[in-house]
Parts: sequence; C-alpha cells; structure tokens
Amino acid sequence: AQKITQTQPGMFVQEKEAVTLDCTYDTSDQSYGLFWYKQPSSGEMIFLIYQGSYDEQNATEGRYSLNFQKARKSANLVISASQLGDSAMYFCAMRASSQGGSEKLVFGKGTKLTVNP
Amino acid sequence: DSGVTQTPKHLITATGQRVTLRCSPRSGDLSVYWYQQSLDQGLQFLIQYYNGEERAKGNILERFSAQQFPDLHSELNLSSLELGDSALYFCASSVDLKGPQHFGDGTRLSIL
Repeated sequence: AQKITQTQPGMFVQEKEAVTLDCTYDTSDQSYGLFWYKQPSSGEMIFLIYQGSYDEQNATEGRYSLNFQKARKSANLVISASQLGDSAMYFCAMRASSQGGSEKLVFGKGTKLTVNP
Repeated sequence: DSGVTQTPKHLITATGQRVTLRCSPRSGDLSVYWYQQSLDQGLQFLIQYYNGEERAKGNILERFSAQQFPDLHSELNLSSLELGDSALYFCASSVDLKGPQHFGDGTRLSIL
C-alpha cells in the first residue's frame, strides 16, 4: 500500500531563512506523482508544487522547490526566504493508483511550520 | 482562489440528520474528488467521479453517497449523521485522472 511519512510534527524558522520539510514515501508503482499542499489556519488547501516520478529535474515554483531523491524515496519541500505568511500546515501527498486506472491522493500527517519574525 | 467552489462553508446539525454538500469544479475539470479531514484520521480519500461516472472509492461509509451531475458539479450526501462525522470535507478537481488536484475551501460540518 502507498504511504507518505512526514516525521516533523512542527518546525520553526526565522523570517528570511530557508527551511526544509521532510517527506518520505513508499510505493511499488513505477509511475507516481508527489505533491505538496499548504493549509493555513483558515482551512483551505493550496496546491504548491508537483514532481513526477520520471521528471529528471527537481520541480521549482517561485520560493518553493522540491528536493526529489528517488533512490531514497524522499521528496522534501524547500522554502527559501521564509515569510510570516508561510506559517501553516504543510502536507506531502502522493498520487496513488486506484481501481479502473483512476488515482487518488494519499496524504501524510502534515508538518506545522511557524515562521518567527 | 483555486476555482473550486464548495457550499456551504459551515454546517451545524444534529445526530441522525442528513446533509448535502455541494461542489463545483474548476472550469474544464472533469474529475471530482471528495476528502474528509478529521483530527484523528487526517486527510482521507472518500470517492472520485470522472465525467459523471464513479471511478474510485476510498474510505467512504455506506451512510455516505455522492454523485456527479451532467454539468459536472458534484454532491456528497451524508445521512444518519453521528458525532464522529464532524470534520472538514474537501472537494478537489483535476482536468483528467492524473493531473494535480485543486481543492475547494472545504465545508466544515459540526454534529451536535
């Protein structure tokens, strides 16, 4: 069964510094996708970044980058130049196969990031 | 703004009741997913529809059902509600079966 593990329940970072949020995954699929979502205290889920298993280059989206290490089955999120507005829960998710060729997302338990001024 | 619209934002009801949650996907998205987020279970996949047809089922209780209509909006029906059904229910949509899923703001359901 597919599984996502986020080992850091909480992380603290100073404003303007970089922070890495850890994510490891387990799957027997050859083709899969990895996602990061941000959930502020207001509750909405915001898509941040995506990495496909066959993508050779690490994904980047503005201040977000995904450190994809396939052999280690890790997909860490790096946030550069942290801002106060980055304080939120961050979820790592994996696209997992379901019946009929369809796919769902399997989520980790999340990491609560707090950015200090 | 993800483009996915969920109504209502908040719902308060009593045990034994039935509620309907509504989701309008992003324009052009054919696939709709429903997820439940609770403190003890985290984010759990419930069910997926693609272009009107059910494609995948996750941890969805028999008391729950869903459908996707010809205009692609979807409804999640929860019946015989129990205290443990209190949660944040998300709808997400994607263009196809494999693309990134974009989430609505969720419906917060409270059972008293």
